[in-house]
Amino acid sequence: NAGVMQNPRHLVRRRGQEARLRCSPMKGHSHVYWYRQLPEEGLKFMVYLQKENIIDESGMPKERFSAEFPKEGPSILRIQQVVRGDSAAYFCASSPDRTKPDGYTFGSGTRLTVV
Amino acid sequence: RKEVEQDPGPFNVPEGATVAFNCTYSNSASQSFFWYRQDCRKEPKLLMSVYSSGNEDGRFTAQLNRASQYISLLIRDSKLSDSATYLCVVIGPAGNKLTFGGGTRVLVKP
Repeated sequence: NAGVMQNPRHLVRRRGQEARLRCSPMKGHSHVYWYRQLPEEGLKFMVYLQKENIIDESGMPKERFSAEFPKEGPSILRIQQVVRGDSAAYFCASSPDRTKPDGYTFGSGTRLTVV
Repeated sequence: RKEVEQDPGPFNVPEGATVAFNCTYSNSASQSFFWYRQDCRKEPKLLMSVYSSGNEDGRFTAQLNRASQYISLLIRDSKLSDSATYLCVVIGPAGNKLTFGGGTRVLVKP
């Protein structure tokens, strides 16, 4: 019974390249949340998705960032033209039901380093 | 004002001692409250939910004060393995996302 799977665990990109971060929720979970954690800071909400729908993207930067959760396959967080300030840990969480917060399970995260 | 605020610490705690710290939240309509634990460079893990009546799980006790809009966590008989960052987490009235505090770092020393 696999948990939330994120890959890659570590990602290095040069400035200007694209970064794609993947998150496979737990089996039976249809809600996915992305969070970003900058060094020495707390986790900041980015986006909440259900299958094929973005429910809340209030935490997403206006440019270069996008997220999707297709009918088949993992949720993808895409960062275009990365800059040094994008270096952070990106965590994905999933839940079976948005009204049951105890069901939030986090993946191990993807650590993005922009050089 | 931040939605969820915590003293960043660190709280240096002798092994076996008791430590307590609070977290304040700004939205009085917040629905649910939790403490998560995060070890260095790892994902946050749920430590315990916080209920209005207060709740205890082993050496950990959580309290909620809705009137003053804060929650607390108390750790008794601290162990070296309790060293971590403790994250206060709130679910707002919309009920669709966790909002994290910046974390309180606890260092338990022999």
